[in-house]
Amino acid sequence: AQTVTQSQPEMSVQEAETVTLSCTYDTSESNYYLFWYKQPPSRQMILVIRQEAYKQQNATENRFSVNFQKAAKSFSLKISDSQLGDTAMYFCAFIFRNQFYFGTGTSLTVIP
Amino acid sequence: EPEVTQTPSHQVTQMGQEVILRCVPISNHLYFYWYRQILGQKVEFLVSFYNNEISEKSEIFDDQFSVERPDGSNFTLKIRSTKLEDSAMYFCASSRRQNYEQYFGPGTRLTVT
Repeated sequence: AQTVTQSQPEMSVQEAETVTLSCTYDTSESNYYLFWYKQPPSRQMILVIRQEAYKQQNATENRFSVNFQKAAKSFSLKISDSQLGDTAMYFCAFIFRNQFYFGTGTSLTVIP
Repeated sequence: EPEVTQTPSHQVTQMGQEVILRCVPISNHLYFYWYRQILGQKVEFLVSFYNNEISEKSEIFDDQFSVERPDGSNFTLKIRSTKLEDSAMYFCASSRRQNYEQYFGPGTRLTVT
């Protein structure tokens, strides 16, 4: 079974600071993709970043980067220079057989 | 930038009624999906659709549910006889290829009374 675990239900960070959201997953597959999605109060799901499991290099997208540890099955998201617009629910997700498995989410609040 | 659209944004229906939720995926995408998110819970996969047929479905997607691509642009989710526990946000998504990033619509909030 594919599972995704986010152990931090809520986090907060001061504006302009850096925060790291953690995610672990379990799978027996060797080739897969991992994602972070953001869900602001509007509830739209927005893709933040994607990581291919066969790539050792960590993905980065502007202020967002991941720390992908394949052996540990860990996939954390680092947000640098946090902005008020980063306030949202963040979901880690794993794709298997073309369907997403989402974690329970981390609610991030950026404090001005 | 192309995006997935969904209508309506909010649907209120009485228990036992049929509802149809509509989605227009991104035009060059080939794979289509429905997900559900009960308030305060995680997003759950319902069904994936490719080449005019269901390719995967979850245990949630029982006989009450059906999907259809009635024309070249729309992708619909029908719930035949709604129950109170069907109240949730329903997201449509599409992707260019299998096991690739999916682009989500803004969701339809379904309220069953």
